[in-house]
Amino acid sequence: ETGVTQTPRHLVMGMTNKKSLKCEQHLGHNAMYWYKQSAKKPLELMFVYNFKEQTENNSVPSRFSPECPNSSHLFLHLHTLQPEDSALYLCASSQGDRGHETQYFGPGTRLLVL
Amino acid sequence: DAKTTQPPSMDCAEGRAANLPCNHSTISGNEYVYWYRQIHSQGPQYIIHGLKNNETNEMASLIITEDRKSSTLILPHATLRDTAVYYCIAQPGGNAGNMLTFGGGTRLMVKP
Repeated sequence: ETGVTQTPRHLVMGMTNKKSLKCEQHLGHNAMYWYKQSAKKPLELMFVYNFKEQTENNSVPSRFSPECPNSSHLFLHLHTLQPEDSALYLCASSQGDRGHETQYFGPGTRLLVL
Repeated sequence: DAKTTQPPSMDCAEGRAANLPCNHSTISGNEYVYWYRQIHSQGPQYIIHGLKNNETNEMASLIITEDRKSSTLILPHATLRDTAVYYCIAQPGGNAGNMLTFGGGTRLMVKP
């Protein structure tokens, strides 16, 4: 238990569906992250939020839309996804006010797009 | 960010020390060496980090060479639960310090 929770843990959706992934951290951190891990590929950073402001968008397609309403919650809104978007989506958090920082990861949401 | 190079896989006998190497020959002076591991289908877990000096915590030891071009993560008494993919990452300090770039890591298999 890392203090970072993600829901749902598993999600199956069609290409025309709209769904959202939720992440919540109970660590008092100010930075939150979305990563994508496709089969047999390294983790890829998607988005970074520091103090609720998006500071990094790693060339992610617009069908992925992040939202950070406060420092404890992070959402990833999904619409018109493609089968190649099937992956494990991981959320992480860190303190956010220092240089190098330890990131704490949630258990991930395993997404299957049909 | 400095690129790190790790062997793709290693085996270790249960109860023995597991020594996982990492090369980071282009590491810069303000980059820390971080180690995470990922047990199958779970989120990565922080293990240890260091800049110049060797470090030890309840999970592992980190040995960094004097020239900082390589490091070794040591799990002193590996158990079956240590079977995981281990990632060595050079993480910069400063404002870019919260950007982690994961490579392929080393898949450690601990065998009975």
